[in-house]
Amino acid sequence: GAGVSQSPRYKVAKRGQDVALRCDPISGHVSLFWYQQALGQGPEFLTYFQNEAQLDKSGLPSDRFFAERPEGSVSTLKIQRTQQEDSAVYLCASSVRRAGPGELFFGEGSRLTVL
Amino acid sequence: EDQVTQSPEALRLQEGESSSLNCSYTVSGLRGLFWYRQDPGKGPEFLFTLYSAGEEKEKERLKATLTKKESFLHITAPKPEDSATYLCAATRQGAAGNKLTFGGGTRVLVKP
Repeated sequence: GAGVSQSPRYKVAKRGQDVALRCDPISGHVSLFWYQQALGQGPEFLTYFQNEAQLDKSGLPSDRFFAERPEGSVSTLKIQRTQQEDSAVYLCASSVRRAGPGELFFGEGSRLTVL
Repeated sequence: EDQVTQSPEALRLQEGESSSLNCSYTVSGLRGLFWYRQDPGKGPEFLFTLYSAGEEKEKERLKATLTKKESFLHITAPKPEDSATYLCAATRQGAAGNKLTFGGGTRVLVKP
């Protein structure tokens, strides 16, 4: 596609529910990142994939967060047993480069609201 | 721990009133300093990458500069369409070089 596509754009979940957020990166982009952006704050790193390999997951806030990219293209961020503090915009970004982020192309984000 | 701090948090300008945004960083072994623009409800959009102190880059009314401790984004004669949040981010050499550490952003409003 022309850009990074994320779905759903908006998700409302009840506390304790599981959610799955999808990212479809730009075709051919090797690197894929997930970021979490709280209201009025800058994005915070969650995890990084190079092709299908998850090379850095140091930013995942707890073991309730899980990300995968099984075939090196589409990625899914899963949050189990959602809590109110998980409410944020989840941004996906991709880059053609392997080493270092270079120019990251961001999607429009998935806004998660946990009630 | 890498830190990026932006100031001011918000900036209100009249159309044509030039100003500068500040980004202070504490990163061991800076690999690159990035500027992004973010419009409401959108993802960040890449503007510039700076790699070494003294480097400058320009794009339309925007000019980014870099020193060993901070970066500035100068907005010359801004127009209302320059209203957005401007994000600064840094990445370091080595194994952690694949992630960006962002500042909190500066929200810029340009009034006609």
